[in-house]
Amino acid sequence: NAGVTQTPKFQVLKTGQSMTLQCAQDMNHNSMYWYRQDPGMGLRLIYYSASEGTTDKGEVPNGYNVSRLNKREFSLRLESAAPSQTSVYFCGSKGPENTEAFFGQGTRLTVV
Amino acid sequence: AQSVTQLGSHVSVSEGALVLLRCNYSSSVPPYLFWYVQYPNQGLQLLLKYTSAATLVKGINGFEAEFKKSETSFHLTKPSAHMSDAAEYFCAVSEGGYQKVTFGIGTKLQVIP
Repeated sequence: NAGVTQTPKFQVLKTGQSMTLQCAQDMNHNSMYWYRQDPGMGLRLIYYSASEGTTDKGEVPNGYNVSRLNKREFSLRLESAAPSQTSVYFCGSKGPENTEAFFGQGTRLTVV
Repeated sequence: AQSVTQLGSHVSVSEGALVLLRCNYSSSVPPYLFWYVQYPNQGLQLLLKYTSAATLVKGINGFEAEFKKSETSFHLTKPSAHMSDAAEYFCAVSEGGYQKVTFGIGTKLQVIP
């Protein structure tokens, strides 16, 4: 049972480059999330998807786009990476409202 | 809008001492509340959750938390700290509905031998 799988685990980008972070869950969850974690700031929500076909902005959506490709997959795209996007990114998924969210192992992204 | 406040970004306790990590929430509807733990360079692991059943919730590794509606609090406690408890702890709230999950800024727990 893989749970939530994120790829890649590490990435270094140059300023202005683009990339897509991939996320897949095998728990048949409706809700999926992308967070970024920065020291002293906790996890901040970038985008979330309450169900297949819907996406909504979180606290810090600027500079990012998302795609809920199907129920299993939720990708995060950086169109033109900036040093301020250096962070650890976590993908999560969640089932019914009285259950917890599950998270991937994170992607450590450095933009130089 | 839902929010979480964690008081104390760093907490130090001696091995064997009581651990108390504070969390206060704001929610317009009855909330679901969670505590997660993160060990260095790892993902988030659920410690415990409150989902409107018992107000005193027991979790893994000897941790527990009490939901107090009147104080809008969900503090995490453990009677006796162990070295292996050193980690970062996050409180989170979900209001159901849109299923958005909001985290606090985290509390780093240091355990001193």
